Amino acid sequence: GDSVTQMEGPVTLSEEAFLTINCTYTATGYPSLFWYVQYPGEGLQLLLKATKADDKGSNKGFEATYRKETTSFHLEKGSVQVSDSAVYFCALGFSGGYNKLIFGAGTRLAVHP
Amino acid sequence: NAGVTQTPKFQVLKTGQSMTLQCAQDMNHEYMSWYRQDPGMGLRLIHYSVGAGITDQGEVPNGYNVSRSTTEDFPLRLLSAAPSQTSVYFCASSFAGGENEQYFGPGTRLTVT
Repeated sequence: GDSVTQMEGPVTLSEEAFLTINCTYTATGYPSLFWYVQYPGEGLQLLLKATKADDKGSNKGFEATYRKETTSFHLEKGSVQVSDSAVYFCALGFSGGYNKLIFGAGTRLAVHP
Repeated sequence: NAGVTQTPKFQVLKTGQSMTLQCAQDMNHEYMSWYRQDPGMGLRLIHYSVGAGITDQGEVPNGYNVSRSTTEDFPLRLLSAAPSQTSVYFCASSFAGGENEQYFGPGTRLTVT
């Protein structure tokens, strides 16, 4: 079945370090791919998305590229800040009347000054 | 716009009790969903709805009921609470199917003793 695998956390970085959070997926068909972020005590909010192969989603300095050949959607940021500390979820979703996202387990990021 | 609202924020139940988690959205979204979030497992879909009067089961529907009598509201009912239902519950809504951004409520933390 369809699934998302992302790297286990926690990921601990110093401020201004480079961030990569790996995400790979298994899907029948052609899903859209998402990164959602959950700040402490809050619900999830969309960080970025890509809807087809080779699309790059970007927002707030974060980027991820939809790689169909490697079934991956890795999240990157060149210089993290303390305010980026959160849990990041990779997810996939399908069009055509469905209303479900399939989430990875989440990766907690802690950024220290 | 208030977005997606959920009540209550916290709830403690005894085994066997029933209760309803409320969810409302003011964005005129057709699609609404309920997820539960458990440590190390990401979010799992409980039930979803693609419009008023239409609901369907997700990945983990047992022990939960839903109904959708209006576009705005999508309550989740726990019929007879069990300790395994201790979790954080999120309601989400979207304009259309799984390829679109979902907007999440702030969550309800439920403990069943």
